[in-house]
Amino acid sequence: DTEVTQTPKHLVMGMTNKKSLKCEQHMGHRAMYWYKQKAKKPPELMFVYSYEKLSINESVPSRFSPECPNSSLLNLHLHALQPEDSALYLCASSQEGVRQSNTDTQYFGPGTRLTVL
Amino acid sequence: GEDVEQSLFLSVREGDSSVINCTYTDSSSTYLYWYKQEPGAGLQLLTYIFSNMDMKQDQRLTVLLNKKDKHLSLRIADTQTGDSAIYFCADVSGTYKYIFGTGTRLKVLA
Repeated sequence: DTEVTQTPKHLVMGMTNKKSLKCEQHMGHRAMYWYKQKAKKPPELMFVYSYEKLSINESVPSRFSPECPNSSLLNLHLHALQPEDSALYLCASSQEGVRQSNTDTQYFGPGTRLTVL
Repeated sequence: GEDVEQSLFLSVREGDSSVINCTYTDSSSTYLYWYKQEPGAGLQLLTYIFSNMDMKQDQRLTVLLNKKDKHLSLRIADTQTGDSAIYFCADVSGTYKYIFGTGTRLKVLA
């Protein structure tokens, strides 16, 4: 099973709302990722958790707050977003993140389509 | 920084072969990946190739790697309408980091 699930599929929120995106995998992977993807563009890395610790933050604004409660779950908390934050948010996981090993093969979820009004 | 480039668009007739090309700049790449993204969906891992291989075949998919020229290609045999999607190649740059190509939109004409 190489499944990564994400909820919700779609989310519409106002600029003053607080919402959360959820991601789950049961493959025993120890690295989990958040990406942002705008239309017709490749995904852009936002955050990486490795063994439940934040390893990479790609200078993402603080209105995006990631959380990794356990090795299977990854959340992205959203607060005071801007309309330009509207995008497809993708979660991914990999066995580990060791380079030069196929254990860094990333498996993606279906994404959450976020619209900020 | 590292760069991965792809042609933006490819149109083929159903039943023909499709060839999607990718060039990358990182000479220390060990694994290179191909992902497929259908409209409104996530990225589906299609295949990957280890850098010491020249070719990998998986059913209708053939990956060719020319490490000297830093050129990667994905050939889809007997292309079907269900193959219409955006295809991304990806290189691994450092721990955890993928460098994605710009994506090639494949349109299959019936």
